[in-house]
Amino acid sequence: QVQLQESGPGLVKPSETLSLTCTVSDGSIDTYCWSWVRQPPGKGLEWLGYIYDTGYSNYNPSLKSRLTMSVETSKNQLSLKLTSVTAADTAIYYCARARTGRNFFDPWGQGTLVTVSS
Amino acid sequence: ETVLTQSPDFQSVSPKEKVTITCRASQSIGISLHWYQQKPDQSPRLLIKYASQSMLGVPSRFSGSGSGTDFTLTINGLEAEDAATYYCHQSDNLPMTFGQGTRLEIK
Repeated sequence: QVQLQESGPGLVKPSETLSLTCTVSDGSIDTYCWSWVRQPPGKGLEWLGYIYDTGYSNYNPSLKSRLTMSVETSKNQLSLKLTSVTAADTAIYYCARARTGRNFFDPWGQGTLVTVSS
Repeated sequence: ETVLTQSPDFQSVSPKEKVTITCRASQSIGISLHWYQQKPDQSPRLLIKYASQSMLGVPSRFSGSGSGTDFTLTINGLEAEDAATYYCHQSDNLPMTFGQGTRLEIK
């Protein structure tokens, strides 16, 4: 069954850009919608945005000015870039699959912790 | 933005008891409400989709109900392995949002 694996630097300096990749294995990126969700340590979940295999995306307005998502179908990978990070962006970042943009998430990746600190 | 408010925030319950977690939406969302279970150091796991549809492999003691603005997750006959934080999630409108979570402790 499909598996999702997030990867990227665990530490990012304030004001720099956070870059993460989600690799999809045992399944295709095609025909699904892929979301990013984050969770600050000990806190709740926040939807960041989604992207289709076509590249069509939709972002949470709270982050829209700093967020870019992309997809590379040949590598079965998704990417997330968040610019001008601050300590408030410290979180576990998850990628998750959905049938359509507005739908439930299943499955989720295991998540990757990104800490913003100098 | 649709705000989801869960209650309670925390509950300590004995095994075999019945647990009810509620999720209230700030506006009507039909049945576009989903429930996840998150155990410590794990990613969320989908339990219930569209208010009441149980996912394959989820124990039958978990059930969901509701529509519009009021939703309920019920666990009938709590087991030790159910210790976790439970989140509701609405997909009716963007941005999608989550409840703040309900942490369930087993006595």
